[in-house]
Amino acid sequence: KAGVTQTPRYLIKTRGQQVTLSCSPISGHRSVSWYQQTPGQGLQFLFEYFSETQRNKGNFPGRFSGRQFSNSRSEMNVSTLELGDSALYLCASSSTGLSDEQYFGPGTRLTVT
Amino acid sequence: AQTVTQSQPEMSVQEAETVTLSCTYDTSESDYYLFWYKQPPSRQMILVIRQEAYKQQNATENRFSVNFQKAAKSFSLKISDSQLGDAAMYFCAYRRRNTGKLIFGQGTTLQVKP
Repeated sequence: KAGVTQTPRYLIKTRGQQVTLSCSPISGHRSVSWYQQTPGQGLQFLFEYFSETQRNKGNFPGRFSGRQFSNSRSEMNVSTLELGDSALYLCASSSTGLSDEQYFGPGTRLTVT
Repeated sequence: AQTVTQSQPEMSVQEAETVTLSCTYDTSESDYYLFWYKQPPSRQMILVIRQEAYKQQNATENRFSVNFQKAAKSFSLKISDSQLGDAAMYFCAYRRRNTGKLIFGQGTTLQVKP
């Protein structure tokens, strides 16, 4: 089985712009979670989607949003980018997201200048 | 709110020796999972080991084992016969049952010396 894929792998944006990151889960997995990793704040949960519905949400401002498509692929969007949004964004997929393991993608490195 | 604490920012171990990484957590839940993840320089997060809170027996995966003390809310990782490929950042994580939300500790960077 192919693993979790994330595109793009690297991205450079300017303050004020918006960005969309994509995550394709492992085939058959219906749960996708997103995490932000920064040196200062560590790994923080953004949100989780299951069957196209947001099931959990972390403590991030409304500039961070996401969605999931019928094929379980997920996108996250960050509007009005700030310098502090520079981070590694990781997504993880699991079959149901309830009791099974989460498998992580390689991440998207976002740099905001 | 649940929290996970790793008090050792950095650890080092000699190749072939044993090292233990510490983790404590705080939760009022009784049904949850605990994990150790490894993140090498490639940044790919890899699951090392998983423990279900209702199981008293400590989980073991080859050279990796945990010491799970539920009452003390402690979950340490022991790596035996350390190898150079074990060098990475290790994260302890908590997940309540029936949720996909992982709560991570701050991480411990493990250096393996040849």
